[in-house]
Amino acid sequence: EPEVTQTPSHQVTQMGQEVILRCVPISNHLYFYWYRQILGQKVEFLVSFYNNEISEKSEIFDDQFSVERPDGSNFTLKIRSTKLEDSAMYFCASSERVAQFFGPGTRLTVL
Amino acid sequence: KNEVEQSPQNLTAQEGEFITINCSYSVGISALHWLQQHPGGGIVSLFMLSSGKKKHGRLIATINIQEKHSSLHITASHPRDSAVYICAVRSGGGRGGADGLTFGKGTHLIIQP
Repeated sequence: EPEVTQTPSHQVTQMGQEVILRCVPISNHLYFYWYRQILGQKVEFLVSFYNNEISEKSEIFDDQFSVERPDGSNFTLKIRSTKLEDSAMYFCASSERVAQFFGPGTRLTVL
Repeated sequence: KNEVEQSPQNLTAQEGEFITINCSYSVGISALHWLQQHPGGGIVSLFMLSSGKKKHGRLIATINIQEKHSSLHITASHPRDSAVYICAVRSGGGRGGADGLTFGKGTHLIIQP
């Protein structure tokens, strides 16, 4: 069964460094999403992406964040100049239309 | 902005019991998801509903659009059902498939043998 994959599963970085989180959505899906979950809190929407551009973004998704679909399969989230409060689980999701399918997540730890 | 509330926050039950988890939301939606999150953190989609009722194995999900309420039921519960169950809604913004979901805080379910 097709699934969304994410790499790495765990990323540790120093405060101020840039990180790139990678996702491979399900191949025939057209819509892509990033969510984050700070430990002990609920999942929060960051951004959605369709037709090679951002479709919707939350107030969390400020200039520190960017997304890209560099080729036909990958979907990336870049976090510039990471802060301690960026430590969270980051989930990628994709959908063909409405039903979203989630990847296993990348646990980002900022030291 | 949609507010999604789940109840109960925590639920401990004995194996075999019938489980009900509730979700209510404040603003009209185009779809509601029920998700399962295990201790490792991964999220699995269980159901997506826009009306009525869906059943998959021992899981049943219902939604009442007029009352802005959904329930997830587990029949003949088993210890492997222990997980966090999350309700998430997609607002009817009319912007097609790219609408982000708004999540509830989740219900922590423990099924004891």
